Amino acid sequence: GGIITQTPKFLIGQEGQKLTLKCQQNFNHDTMYWYRQDSGKGLRLIYYSITENDLQKGDLSEGYDASREKKSSFSLTVTSAQKNEMAVFLCASSIDRVAETLYFGSGTRLTVL
Amino acid sequence: GDSVTQTEGQVALSEEDFLTIHCNYSASGYPTLFWYVQYPGEGPQLLFRASRDKEKGSSRGFEATYDKGTTSFHLRKASVQESDSAVYYCALSDQGTGNYKYVFGAGTRLKVIA
Repeated sequence: GGIITQTPKFLIGQEGQKLTLKCQQNFNHDTMYWYRQDSGKGLRLIYYSITENDLQKGDLSEGYDASREKKSSFSLTVTSAQKNEMAVFLCASSIDRVAETLYFGSGTRLTVL
Repeated sequence: GDSVTQTEGQVALSEEDFLTIHCNYSASGYPTLFWYVQYPGEGPQLLFRASRDKEKGSSRGFEATYDKGTTSFHLRKASVQESDSAVYYCALSDQGTGNYKYVFGAGTRLKVIA
């Protein structure tokens, strides 16, 4: 089996600050994802990457950047944190095929003061 | 675009009650359907999946049947336990579009009281 590790687990930032969330996976999966989880809204896709150095925008990419410099890692940057923003950011991976199972990390909880 | 609708936002039951969480979908192609479960402090994990009409997925006493006619994939369990308290997500991945996107429902929070 494998594991997805997200760091940090909790992230507190100030309004306007640039904040970076990191994700590592040891499944050797090609495809990785960043989702935002808000209560009552399900999971919304921010970015995904089908291979090293590939980036694809999801439905919620505005205000975020992503980076996939290695197959095993995928980072997400909040370019300018918004005050009163609170959400959980989930990283996931899957093998390189459509409709395969997603494997999730335990999330990074973001609070912006 | 594709969509998934979960009717119940929250469900509260007593142990040994019967559970139904409704999931309906809309997709342009022939999607694979999933149920994921998320326990507190963890990420979602796959409960089971189904890829074709009338296929039944099941795990840990939970089950759902892919119904293309009614575009549904309702989650059921005959007798819930306190340990089943979690958030349940219905999701689809549409093979016909050839992309890597999943569509998730809004989630249903299940609380089971002992």
